[in-house]
Amino acid sequence: GQQLNQSPQSMFIQEGEDVSMNCTSSSIFNTWLWYKQEPGEGPVLLIALYKAGELTSNGRLTAQFGITRKDSFLNISASIPSDVGIYFCAGLRSNDYKLSFGAGTTVTVRA
Amino acid sequence: GAVVSQHPSWVICKSGTSVKIECRSLDFQATTMFWYRQFPKKSLMLMATSNEGSKATYEQGVEKDKFLINHASLTLSTLTVTSAHPEDSSFYICSAPKGGLASKETQYFGPGTRLLVL
Repeated sequence: GQQLNQSPQSMFIQEGEDVSMNCTSSSIFNTWLWYKQEPGEGPVLLIALYKAGELTSNGRLTAQFGITRKDSFLNISASIPSDVGIYFCAGLRSNDYKLSFGAGTTVTVRA
Repeated sequence: GAVVSQHPSWVICKSGTSVKIECRSLDFQATTMFWYRQFPKKSLMLMATSNEGSKATYEQGVEKDKFLINHASLTLSTLTVTSAHPEDSSFYICSAPKGGLASKETQYFGPGTRLLVL
């Protein structure tokens, strides 16, 4: 599907630091989803966003759906070693349920 | 817990053989499921949409006779890689959309199937 622009591509951070990544799109989506994928596994849903401007938290994760519905960010606070993985943003099309993905942000946490 | 399962989780086969991968939605019905292929350190590439009761629709460049899809029931879709060759070796992942209240749809992925063709 159409690619979203996700940045940064990778991050090397110290344990305890906060992480921030974002996605932008040229198209409007009604639903934005954030996933985490670990090696050899399928993506796991972290947060779902449905309303423009919506700010949603899931533990140490916080994500916001942009007002224009063309962008979103994901923050991870106080990172821990198990936060390592690839984080993907995805826009969900309501008409056919197809997902458009970002290229992913690879997070590496140094203890 | 997992809401979409895949079987097998990994498979090794000889070149020329066919391999079937199953995708099941565990606690909901899915009239539509999706099949993806993922290369190392890359994002997911949509291969096809599996439709219960009708033919699958394939993305451009994906051979429908090579990757046979059957949506046998409202909880099961299968992907068969026919006459597999080493270049078909990859990580195959399925997903299923799940509706919620007030149109709060989301989509869940299976754990993936690693295929190695020798």
